[in-house]
Amino acid sequence: EVQLVESGGGLVQPGGSLRLSCAASGLTFSSYDFTWVRQAPGKGLEWLAYISSASGSTTFYAESVRGRFTISRDNTKKSMYLHMNNLRAGDTAFYFCATVVGYYIDVWGKGTTVTVSS
Amino acid sequence: QSVLTQPPSASGAPGQRVTISCSGSSSNIGSNTVNWYQQLPGTAPRLLISINTQRPSGVPDRFSGSKSGTSASLAISGLQSEDEADYYCSSWDDSLDGWLFGGGTKLTVL
Repeated sequence: EVQLVESGGGLVQPGGSLRLSCAASGLTFSSYDFTWVRQAPGKGLEWLAYISSASGSTTFYAESVRGRFTISRDNTKKSMYLHMNNLRAGDTAFYFCATVVGYYIDVWGKGTTVTVSS
Repeated sequence: QSVLTQPPSASGAPGQRVTISCSGSSSNIGSNTVNWYQQLPGTAPRLLISINTQRPSGVPDRFSGSKSGTSASLAISGLQSEDEADYYCSSWDDSLDGWLFGGGTKLTVL
């Protein structure tokens, strides 16, 4: 069974940085594409970033986070990351990592909370 | 504002059939597949329908998806109380090079 566990969330001041991690098990990690999706309190889902399998040479970002967030992966640690810089109050949300199969988002983790506040 | 448009709410009595629509454009639904997600209260989303009509293992056949042109629909038949959840459609957008989600539809089982 594929399992994804996010970590690294917490309280950060505006303008600060945070790195979210996504640890995967039950799959051949290097063969999978991954993505990050967030959900602000009481709101809908917002796609953020995508990274391709193997070397992760292909990445895509939502316009709302492009230039501030960076997605990366470490196949040796079976982990995927979201580096978030220059955080704003509007980035306050629950952050989910998920696997990607073709053109759809497949298995989701339970998520981690990020709160941006002074 | 989501580019995929869903009704904010839907409802039905137990045993009834309900449909949820999702409207997009030529750059997303019109040229890519549609996927549906169920989010029960306080939990992560779960893939319900992939590639327009495919149910992952474990998803009851009461759930079905369809797509026509730039629109798609999720149908739930034989409504059960445990179907109360938020439902989201999603599709890749060729102009944005990323996924779009609908705003979500809150389903209430009366």
